[in-house]
Amino acid sequence: GAGVSQSPSNKVTEKGKDVELRCDPISGHTALYWYRQSLGQGLEFLIYFQGNSAPDKSGLPSDRFSAERTGGSVSTLTIQRTQQEDSAVYLCASRSGQGESPLHFGNGTRLTVT
Amino acid sequence: GQQLNQSPQSMFIQEGEDVSMNCTSSSIFNTWLWYKQDPGEGPVLLIALYKAGELTSNGRLTAQFGITRKDSFLNISASIPSDVGIYFCAGQLNFGNEKLTFGTGTRLTIIP
Repeated sequence: GAGVSQSPSNKVTEKGKDVELRCDPISGHTALYWYRQSLGQGLEFLIYFQGNSAPDKSGLPSDRFSAERTGGSVSTLTIQRTQQEDSAVYLCASRSGQGESPLHFGNGTRLTVT
Repeated sequence: GQQLNQSPQSMFIQEGEDVSMNCTSSSIFNTWLWYKQDPGEGPVLLIALYKAGELTSNGRLTAQFGITRKDSFLNISASIPSDVGIYFCAGQLNFGNEKLTFGTGTRLTIIP
């Protein structure tokens, strides 16, 4: 597709289980971001990948959160031992990396931890 | 994480009214952006501002990059039903590929 694709669109999991969220950025986009949006809140930065550079992980809330980007394209955000406070919409975004290029967001994965 | 102060948090207006919202920061940003988010979707870029003092329009939308580089506002003229949604400001320290810091959002509702 032409846009950023995220899967699954919804995920319900039990507390303590691990989850993996997937992001397919727009083809050719070198920069990829993960944000978290809690109910009624703004977007909280989690992690940022740019090309082959080391990712900026400064927004990850705990060591239960990790992300990787394979081959400079698809990214997976993993949350281990999920907690109820992890419930949120996880948004992925990408940009082309050329000058003042805009950020394109996917529709997000709504994660509910029961 | 760090967030920008955005106000108002919510607005209830009648169709045809003008809307104004703003965003302030304790830090300087070199880029200000305004996004709109519809339910179940990711934010979509409305306007991007790259120079202090810049005033930019996109149809009925007008946004300004504050001269101090610590604030920005967004105006919507003659609101229509499809303007309903959540509006977010976002700041970026440097040009290029860096993380955006988002505001807390303004929820716009149009009263029939």
